[in-house]
Amino acid sequence: AQKVTQAQTEISVVEKEDVTLDCVYETRDTTYYLFWYKQPPSGELVFLIRRNSFDEQNEISGRYSWNFQKSTSSFNFTITASQVVDSAVYFCALAGGGSNYKLTFGKGTLLTVNP
Amino acid sequence: EAGVAQSPRYKIIEKRQSVAFWCNPISGHATLYWYQQILGQGPKLLIQFQNNGVVDDSQLPKDRFSAERLKGVDSTLKIQPAKLEDSAVYLCASSPGTVWYEQYFGPGTRLTVT
Repeated sequence: AQKVTQAQTEISVVEKEDVTLDCVYETRDTTYYLFWYKQPPSGELVFLIRRNSFDEQNEISGRYSWNFQKSTSSFNFTITASQVVDSAVYFCALAGGGSNYKLTFGKGTLLTVNP
Repeated sequence: EAGVAQSPRYKIIEKRQSVAFWCNPISGHATLYWYQQILGQGPKLLIQFQNNGVVDDSQLPKDRFSAERLKGVDSTLKIQPAKLEDSAVYLCASSPGTVWYEQYFGPGTRLTVT
């Protein structure tokens, strides 16, 4: 069975602050993929990043960065210098080979960036 | 390139009524997914189609939910009869057949059952 835990239900920050969204996952698969999606108020899920279980390199894309640590089964997401437009619900998701790569989502973290 | 289209965007019905949702995936995408997203939770896969065949419907409540994908393009998801706990956003997504992890999501249909 797959499980994704996003312990932070809501986070509120002031613009320009850095913020880290936590994600912890559980899987027995050796081959799996991890994802982050953004869901703005419009409702569409927007893909942000995908990592596979064999690639633990951290990644940076502009103000976004991701820290993947297999030793702690975590895939955390950091936004540097947050902006009001970053306000959204962020979902971490897992897809393992044993589950036919079916996406299992966490419950999401609501990020509010205040001006 | 046009994205995934869904209609209606909002629907309010009374319990025991029936309802149908429509999805038009991105042109050429062989795989289509329906997800249910209950308020405060992440999306949960209901059914996955590969062309017009069902790949996974293990989490679809088949006593009341049904889905079809005619000619491997558009899809409809039906609920009959609806229950209060069916209130949720129903998301449709599509992906190229060989690139399952690139799922593109539509805006969703928000269903309220009263």
